[in-house]
Amino acid sequence: AQSVTQLDSHVSVSEGTPVLLRCNYSSSYSPSLFWYVQHPNKGLQLLLKYTSAATLVKGINGFEAEFKKSETSFHLTKPSAHMSDAAEYFCVVSVTTSGSARQLTFGSGTQLTVLP
Amino acid sequence: EAGVTQFPSHSVIEKGQTVTLRCDPISGHDNLYWYRRVMGKEIKFLLHFVKESKQDESGMPNNRFLAERTGGTYSTLKVQPAELEDSGVYFCASSQVRRASGDNEQFFGPGTRLTVL
Repeated sequence: AQSVTQLDSHVSVSEGTPVLLRCNYSSSYSPSLFWYVQHPNKGLQLLLKYTSAATLVKGINGFEAEFKKSETSFHLTKPSAHMSDAAEYFCVVSVTTSGSARQLTFGSGTQLTVLP
Repeated sequence: EAGVTQFPSHSVIEKGQTVTLRCDPISGHDNLYWYRRVMGKEIKFLLHFVKESKQDESGMPNNRFLAERTGGTYSTLKVQPAELEDSGVYFCASSQVRRASGDNEQFFGPGTRLTVL
């Protein structure tokens, strides 16, 4: 079975300071991992994805994540937070089911607050 | 190009009533997925269509939920009769046909917030 654990339900940072959102995964096989973001009243938007290529993945809006197999982690980082980064962030693992069917298994989400 | 759209954005109904949610995927996307987030819980997979066929419906909670995708375009998710525990946000997502390698991005709609009183 595949699962993801987001270690913090809420993270609060000051504008201009680094962001770290933590995610650990459990997977029987080589996983595909994603980070999605949801701003209020908007759909989930893909930030970045890892699919067994480079372990350091760069995404949109200055975010990046590093896949660490030894630690089973896929933490999301950004060097300098912006007010517009305030949103809920989801760590996601892709599960292959029958045939070509794919399910996304979501973490519980981390609400990021950016203080002025 | 329009993204995934969902209708309605909010629905408030009483226990025992019927509600139908609609999802319009991105044009040309054969894969369509439904997910649900119950208050305080994770977003959970409900089912997956490839064109008009149900590829995987392992996440459907019970037989009060019926999903259809006639003609392989838009999809509906009907809840009949609705119960209190059905309250939550229902997301729809779509993606292109899966490539031989890698994952195709799933594009999500804004969700429908369902409240059952």
